Amino acid sequence: QSALTQPASVSGSPGQSITISCTGTSSDVGGYNYVSWYQQHPGKAPQLMIYDVSKRPSGVSDRFSGSKSGNTASLTISGLQAEDEADYLCSSYTSSYTVVFGGGTKLTVL
Amino acid sequence: QVQLVQSGAEVKKPGASVKVSCKASGYTFTGYYMHWVRQAPGQGLEWMGWINTNSGGTNYAQSFQGRVTVTRDTSISTIYMELSRLRSDDTAVYYCARDGTTSGWYGDYWGQGTLVTVSS
Repeated sequence: QSALTQPASVSGSPGQSITISCTGTSSDVGGYNYVSWYQQHPGKAPQLMIYDVSKRPSGVSDRFSGSKSGNTASLTISGLQAEDEADYLCSSYTSSYTVVFGGGTKLTVL
Repeated sequence: QVQLVQSGAEVKKPGASVKVSCKASGYTFTGYYMHWVRQAPGQGLEWMGWINTNSGGTNYAQSFQGRVTVTRDTSISTIYMELSRLRSDDTAVYYCARDGTTSGWYGDYWGQGTLVTVSS
């Protein structure tokens, strides 16, 4: 199972919006509405930000939203804040009853 | 509150095995699948496998088949991940994660991570 494809880095200024893409195949992202997104600060465990493509766990800011079109899922962060600077990783359930992650995207808030 | 507490850091020699534990509390242990995920230094997350904590059934990533074994002890709400024939590229932080759903997957709670260093 190949890793999902994410851009290595994105950046934005405070208050702006950014979108991170996550591209897979019809056997994972495109085949199921089971895409999740995680935020990870250096030296910390991942934290769930979005699940089932577009659902937010309680406690996660509504500035975070998710969507999917075909084999590509996207995470959008609006109203960027300095505290959003972190790595973001996508993940998907697969047709083999396994899980696959993306390589991660480093978000820099300028 | 849900907590996943992992065992401490390990240093192993190439060819050896390591066994990492993850103790769950704050919820019904057998009601959720559990996963192991690792992260090599400066790299992304790599999924290793899951365990059905109720039945003990498992499924592993193909890249770890034959080297990884995930087990559980329901009496103490703990899962284990044993990785054998260690190589230097197995050096990583190993995380356990609770699966928040019975259909699909998402890791809603994660352990603090266990650093495993493989070095001669």
